[in-house]
Amino acid sequence: DQQVKQNSPSLSVQEGRISILNCDYTNSMFDYFLWYKKYPAEGPTFLISISSIKDKNEDGRFTVFLNKSAKHLSLHIVPSQPGDSAVYFCAASASTDSWGKLQFGAGTQVVVTP
Amino acid sequence: DADVTQTPRNRITKTGKRIMLECSQTKGHDRMYWYRQDPGLGLRLIYYSFDVKDINKGEISDGYSVSRQAQAKFSLSLESAIPNQTALYFCATSDPAGAYTDTQYFGPGTRLTVL
Repeated sequence: DQQVKQNSPSLSVQEGRISILNCDYTNSMFDYFLWYKKYPAEGPTFLISISSIKDKNEDGRFTVFLNKSAKHLSLHIVPSQPGDSAVYFCAASASTDSWGKLQFGAGTQVVVTP
Repeated sequence: DADVTQTPRNRITKTGKRIMLECSQTKGHDRMYWYRQDPGLGLRLIYYSFDVKDINKGEISDGYSVSRQAQAKFSLSLESAIPNQTALYFCATSDPAGAYTDTQYFGPGTRLTVL
């Protein structure tokens, strides 16, 4: 049973516009959330994270929003660029888990069109 | 040079064969992980190791075994490969520096096909 869900398998957005990727989780013990980006033939690379003590974290064009009551987080990319075309994975962990294991969503394929 | 390397990058094998996938890292991290990625399922944890003497099963360890030969090396074995083990396999490392910084760093992946 997947504890982290990305319900949109794909997203197409025009260059310069905003990309919004969504992620829902079911485990209330999760308190640290990450987004990874993956290009074809490469491993996932860390993009941005947020802890449950915050509701927003921003890094350049990337902003992650966390709504704990809804168990929902989103990644905003503004403005979207062709190089942002990739698969984006949402991941979560619980600080009560001393092993620091991550649970991943299924991923969202983003295509940025000219 | 890449911090986390995996060999081979691609492998085609037949049902029943024994396969070993290797992972090496130069990041000096103690924690290492093996994941598999399947379409529509994301990344699922197979095994993880927090040091040479510590090996733990993940959520889908059946049919797999691992060996942590050194801090820098973590191998995944399929003792008798079956077609539903066809997937993309990733090795990852991490080195927690605090309560919320357990970021994992991934290798480039091994695409395994079992015929």
